[in-house]
Amino acid sequence: AQSVTQLGSHVSVSEGALVLLRCNYSSSVPPYLFWYVQYPNQGLQLLLKYTTGATLVKGINGFEAEFKKSETSFHLTKPSAHMSDAAEYFCAVSDLSCGTSYGKLTFGLGTILTVHP
Amino acid sequence: GAVVSQHPSRVICKSGTSVKIECRSLDFQATTMFWYRQFPKQSLMLMATSNEGSKATYEQGVEKDKFLINHASLTLSTLTVTSAHPEDSSFYICSAGAAPETQYFGPGTRLLVL
Repeated sequence: AQSVTQLGSHVSVSEGALVLLRCNYSSSVPPYLFWYVQYPNQGLQLLLKYTTGATLVKGINGFEAEFKKSETSFHLTKPSAHMSDAAEYFCAVSDLSCGTSYGKLTFGLGTILTVHP
Repeated sequence: GAVVSQHPSRVICKSGTSVKIECRSLDFQATTMFWYRQFPKQSLMLMATSNEGSKATYEQGVEKDKFLINHASLTLSTLTVTSAHPEDSSFYICSAGAAPETQYFGPGTRLLVL
């Protein structure tokens, strides 16, 4: 069974500061990894994903994440926070194991990012 | 990019009534759609996997007779909450796409059962 742990349910940063949202996963097989953003009362928007290839992936809105297999981590970063980045962020893994779980997403509990002036 | 719509976006029902939520992939075909439920301040929980032309696969603990799923075409899946009760009040989100690589999410439907 897969699991996703997001360390820190709330993260608060100043505008212009570095954003770091942590995500660790456990999986029996190397999974695909995703970061989604959710604004209030809206669905999820894909920020970025890792499937294969380069372990540092760049997404929309200046976000990037690095897949570190040895640490089973996929932390999300952005060099300089903007007020519009305030939202809830979810890390997710996609199950690649054979069987009925193939393709299913498992989400972390989410991290609410607050950006203050 | 791929767009997924949901209708209605918000609905208020009386206890005991049924409500149908539609999920449409607008510019692509999806043989598989997923239905999630999200409680306030919580993550998304997968309810079921909807497969076009076949029965849905429900996650453990999800009542298939209460949450009826129909995936009649490659662009439409529906979730019907039968005999809704206040504890069914939640945010329901669907997704569609090329699992396992990418799922595109709908904007969600907020259900309030009084």
